[in-house]
Amino acid sequence: DAKTTQPTSMDCAEGRAANLPCNHSTISGNEYVYWYRQIHSQGPQYIIHGLKNNETNEMASLIITEDRKSSTLILPHATLRDTAVYYCIEVNYGQNFVFGPGTRLSVLP
Amino acid sequence: GAGVSQTPSNKVTEKGKYVELRCDPISGHTALYWYRQSLGQGPEFLIYFQGTGAADDSGLPNDRFFAVRPEGSVSTLKIQRTERGDSAMYLCASSFAWANEQFFGPGTRLTVL
Repeated sequence: DAKTTQPTSMDCAEGRAANLPCNHSTISGNEYVYWYRQIHSQGPQYIIHGLKNNETNEMASLIITEDRKSSTLILPHATLRDTAVYYCIEVNYGQNFVFGPGTRLSVLP
Repeated sequence: GAGVSQTPSNKVTEKGKYVELRCDPISGHTALYWYRQSLGQGPEFLIYFQGTGAADDSGLPNDRFFAVRPEGSVSTLKIQRTERGDSAMYLCASSFAWANEQFFGPGTRLTVL
C-alpha cells in the first residue's frame, strides 16, 4: 500500500497556481518524495523529486516541510493541459515505487 | 530521440492462453521497470531490472508472471495461463539508473476474455 495520502480530487482555475498537498507522516530520513502525473490515456510523467530541500524546475516547485512529514507540489500557472492525476510517492533508495490513487486535478477554464 | 515503446498497444486473448508483452527502453537506460494499472488505480510495481538481472521482482503477483531482459535492453513480460483478472494496462518505464527520472511508455492494454 502507498505510504502517502493525497486528496482524491481538486479543481483549479486556469492561470492560477495549483497547490497539491501530500502527507507522508511516516517518512524516514533517507526517503525521497517523488511526484509524477498521468494525463488521460498516457503513461505517467516525472515532475520533480526532493529529499529535504525545496526544489524547483521548469514544470513545478516542490515545498517540503521542515519535519518532512508533508509536501506541496506547486504548478505556478496551471493550464488546461495540466489536468491529470498527480501521484506523490515516498521511496527509499533502491526500493520500488508504490503509487497510490493520486489526486485528480481538474483545471477549469 | 525515441522514447520508450511497447508492443502491442492492445492485446486481446482468451482465458488460459499465453501472452508476451514487449518493451523497448530508451537507448542507454540501464534500469527498466514493469507496472500494471487497473482502471482508477495508480500503477502497481511488478519488477525492476538493472541491466540484465532482475533487481527486484517482489511485485510479480504469482508464478504465472515472468519477465526477462537477456541483453540488458529489450524486455519481455510473459504471462502464462492468463486469467480475466490479468486484464489491465501494462506499463514499462526506463531510466539511466534507479532514482533518476523514469520515462514511461504508452502501455499495452491486455484484455483477457
